[in-house]
Amino acid sequence: DAGVIQSPRHEVTEMGQEVTLRCKPISGHDYLFWYRQTMMRGLELLIYFNNNVPIDDSGMPEDRFSAKMPNASFSTLKIQPSEPRDSAVYFCASRTGAGVSEAFFGQGTRLTVV
Amino acid sequence: GIQVEQSPPDLILQEGANSTLRCNFSDSVNNLQWFHQNPWGQLINLFYIPSGTKQNGRLSATTVATERYSLLYISSSQTTDSGVYFCAVGPGYSTLTFGKGTMLLVSP
Repeated sequence: DAGVIQSPRHEVTEMGQEVTLRCKPISGHDYLFWYRQTMMRGLELLIYFNNNVPIDDSGMPEDRFSAKMPNASFSTLKIQPSEPRDSAVYFCASRTGAGVSEAFFGQGTRLTVV
Repeated sequence: GIQVEQSPPDLILQEGANSTLRCNFSDSVNNLQWFHQNPWGQLINLFYIPSGTKQNGRLSATTVATERYSLLYISSSQTTDSGVYFCAVGPGYSTLTFGKGTMLLVSP
């Protein structure tokens, strides 16, 4: 398997624009997670899905953030409108649903909002 | 929520030296992973170790769940070991809470 695939790897956008980050989890994995990494806050969970259903979105910072998982092989994280403080590395991760298992992370999307 | 503390925050080693990184957590966990974030930002799985001891080459890890800590041992360090080492724990069976990491620099 190719692992968790995220796109784009880098995104530079202007304040106020809409940004969409994409993730393809490992095939067969039932859980999908979106994390954000910043210098100030470290790695923090934004939202996670189980079998395509959002389970906990309490980490989503504001209503400007939304995430969807229309099917088992695709998820998006959208920011609209984007702000400079959204600049961060966004990671997607997935794991199986079989008991407790390890999570695998994608390579991340480095977002810069100017 | 659960608190995760890693020590030391920074570590500088000469190539060939050994080191021990520590992860303390504030509550019982069912899930614990160690990751290496390389200079390119990739999060690489090192160990999935909610309890017990595992070894993989020059790296090994031990988790004492009853005492709420985990240790990562790096022996004969190499420059390619440089980066940030994260401990992440899950009190439940789903999400992971990350520590702030230990930044390791191995010099030649």
